[in-house]
Amino acid sequence: EPEVTQTPSHQVTQMGQEVILRCVPISNHLYFYWYRQILGQKVEFLVSFYNNEISEKSEIFDDQFSVERPDGSNFTLKIRSTKLEDSAMYFCASRQGSSQPQHFGDGTRLSIL
Amino acid sequence: EDQVTQSPEALRLQEGESSSLNCSYTVSGLRGLFWYRQDPGKGPEFLFTLYSAGEEKEKERLKATLTKKESFLHITAPKPEDSATYLCAVQAPPNDYKLSFGAGTTVTVRA
Repeated sequence: EPEVTQTPSHQVTQMGQEVILRCVPISNHLYFYWYRQILGQKVEFLVSFYNNEISEKSEIFDDQFSVERPDGSNFTLKIRSTKLEDSAMYFCASRQGSSQPQHFGDGTRLSIL
Repeated sequence: EDQVTQSPEALRLQEGESSSLNCSYTVSGLRGLFWYRQDPGKGPEFLFTLYSAGEEKEKERLKATLTKKESFLHITAPKPEDSATYLCAVQAPPNDYKLSFGAGTTVTVRA
């Protein structure tokens, strides 16, 4: 069964550095998402991306964050000037159509030191 | 404000002991209510989508139902492999693209 794949599975970075989290959505999907889950907390929406542009973003998704679909298969989340509070699991999701469910990858655990 | 509230936070069951999980929501114009299963260190795995009150969906030992204010996930005769955190999420205007998740119910099934 097709799945969303995320790399790396674990990223350790010094505070203030930039990180890029990578995702390969399911191939025929059109809508792409990033969520994060801080340890012990709810899964929180960050951003949605459709037709090569951001369609919706949360208040968390400020100028520190950006997303890109550099080619036909990858979807990336860039976090600049990382802070300790950026430590979390970051999940990528995709869905085929507006009435279809979102399918999630297994996440990247981001640890900021 | 919380749009999605799940209860209980944790549930410990004996193998074969059926039970129900609750998800209450406070949105208007629900586009869809989604149930996911999350294993430790993994991403949410899609289980069901419910769109309108009265709708029911079933898969193996799991059955999801929906009313105008809440959804239930019934686990019938659970097995240890049903142990996981079950997440409920809603999609509703004005945020038609995102899912708003509850905190989840962690189910532990003992053999």
